[in-house]
Formats: sequence, C-alpha cells, structure tokens
Amino acid sequence: NAGVMQNPRHLVRRRGQEARLRCSPMKGHSHVYWYRQLPEEGLKFMVYLQKENIIDESGMPKERFSAEFPKEGPSILRIQQVVRGDSAAYFCASSVRGSSYEQYFGPGTRLTVT
Amino acid sequence: QQQVKQSPQSLIVQKGGIPIINCAYENTAFDYFPWYQQFPGKGPALLIAIRPDVSEKKEGRFTISFNKSAKQFSLHIMDSQPGDSATYFCAAIREGGSQGNLIFGKGTKLSVKP
Repeated sequence: NAGVMQNPRHLVRRRGQEARLRCSPMKGHSHVYWYRQLPEEGLKFMVYLQKENIIDESGMPKERFSAEFPKEGPSILRIQQVVRGDSAAYFCASSVRGSSYEQYFGPGTRLTVT
Repeated sequence: QQQVKQSPQSLIVQKGGIPIINCAYENTAFDYFPWYQQFPGKGPALLIAIRPDVSEKKEGRFTISFNKSAKQFSLHIMDSQPGDSATYFCAAIREGGSQGNLIFGKGTKLSVKP
C-alpha cells in the first residue's frame, strides 16, 4: 500500500515563475491537507480539500496561491509569480476521516526560489 | 497567533536517557493531541496521540502525559537510542470540526548521543 506521494521532490523556480506541486493521497483517503514548513519552524496549515471541494483555506495566502483536488488525479498546489519568501518545504497529508489527527504525510516538495 | 507552544527547542541526551518535551495549548476545543516524528528530508510521521480524558498513554518506549487543568502535555522517550534522533512536533486538533488542520508546535530537535 503506497504512502502519500508528492512530486517533484525538489523544485527550483526563478522569481515570477509558477510552481505546481502535486500530491497523490494514500489509497482510500479522500481528505487532503497542505502544510508549509519554513526552516527551523513547525508546519503551518494552508488548505484542506476533499474531492472537488475546498473545505478550509484559512491558512492560504489570499494572492498567488490556489489549490485543487479534482475528481480524477492528484491534488495540486499552485503558486503563481513566486517570490523568495515562498522558498520552503511543502507537505501534503491525507486521512480517511475528515479533520482527523491521523494524517499521513508525504515526503514533501522542497521549493527554492532564486 | 501560536496556539501550541513547545519547549525546549533542542535537546541533547545520552543513550538510555529520558528526554522530555513539553507542550502547552490555549484552545479548550482541541480534543486530540498527537505527536509527530520527523527525520531530515522526510515528512512527519504520527508517533502517538492522546485524548484529554486520559492522563497518560504509553506505546512502546513513548509515553504521553496529559494535564487537562493546566492545558499541558508532554512526551517522554524511555531508554532513548541514537535512532530516536529526530525533530518531534506536538500538535492539536478538534476532530471532525470544519477546520481539519493540525496546529503544530515549533518542534524540538532531539539528539541522542551514543
């Protein structure tokens, strides 16, 4: 049973470019969460999605960031016009139940903006 | 607004010692308190979790102690080993709520010396 998969594992973008991060949840999991981790910091919640629905996006910056979890395919976190401050590790997690403490995390995508 | 405060930031113990990591929370609506373990370059992994109606929970060498009145909880690692060297995050969540996110502490970097 494969775990949560994220790709790419490392992504380098120049300022102003777009970054697309993909997440495939564990089999049987329909709840997906995105978190951001800055160096020496804990994880900060960004967005919680179910298939075709955004349940909670209270942690998402209002501009440049968007997320989706389509009926088919992985969840996508999209960052438009990246800036240096977007450099971080982005983790996706999934769960069987909604709003569960049992969230299974992927290996993360490390985004570097040059 | 940091809702879960974690200390210490870093901890060094000798093999066989008992490191203790402490967390305090503010929101009494939280009803699950998990601990996650993260190795460098990996995503966090659920270690152990407790509900506030339980004062202590043990799983193998890991023990959570919970003090509901003080709104504090702690992780103890018995007979610590070099392989336990990792960053540990406490977290809190209100299960089933409209906000599905874990609220994480800032993490404790544990180093167990041989």
